[in-house]
Amino acid sequence: GAVVSQHPSWVICKSGTSVKIECRSLDFQATTMFWYRQFPKQSLMLMATSNEGSKATYEQGVEKDKFLINHASLTLSTLTVTSAHPEDSSFYICSARNRDKPYEQYFGPGTRLTVT
Amino acid sequence: AQSVTQLGSHVSVSEGALVLLRCNYSSSVPPYLFWYVQYPNQGLQLLLKYTSAATLVKGINGFEAEFKKSETSFHLTKPSAHMSDAAEYFCAVSVTGGGADGLTFGKGTHLIIQP
Repeated sequence: GAVVSQHPSWVICKSGTSVKIECRSLDFQATTMFWYRQFPKQSLMLMATSNEGSKATYEQGVEKDKFLINHASLTLSTLTVTSAHPEDSSFYICSARNRDKPYEQYFGPGTRLTVT
Repeated sequence: AQSVTQLGSHVSVSEGALVLLRCNYSSSVPPYLFWYVQYPNQGLQLLLKYTSAATLVKGINGFEAEFKKSETSFHLTKPSAHMSDAAEYFCAVSVTGGGADGLTFGKGTHLIIQP
């Protein structure tokens, strides 16, 4: 149980286009989902916290107009990278907090974004 | 604000030897501490977590960690390394939400297992 999926697992897009990444909790309901970014051989940095039905809270330095987050249901959050540039290339990982086990969170497998 | 320092970006041990990965934290309030493992191009898997219960925490795959408040440390150990332990290990801290809020991660330690 407690599986989090991400789609796509990898994506290549051209500079200037937008790309959407989905994060789904498959067997539990997630009131809160988190989005992290990981550069090659570096740590994960929290980008934003997404609560179902409300606006996401972004960490300092993260452009909310560039990284659009939507958490429309208890099982789905999306991250849209708008007008992507090569410097946005990274590994994006989501995690989800279980509504029924609020002290547990589970990580997705990540999405590799490459912007050419 | 909280922070995590992992000493040693790379640690190399022989198969069968003791694994010791170091983690020190900084927090103004009692922290929740975690160790995660990441295999190449994969997400994170929770090894173990400390949530203010027992200071010695046992996790999966034979790993354990000890919370030492006086040393602000949460080092990860395994008595006998296995080739399959080769991966990236991250220590993380949270101070809210019972540890289920956004985490602050250390820079990671790449564990290399020598045959």
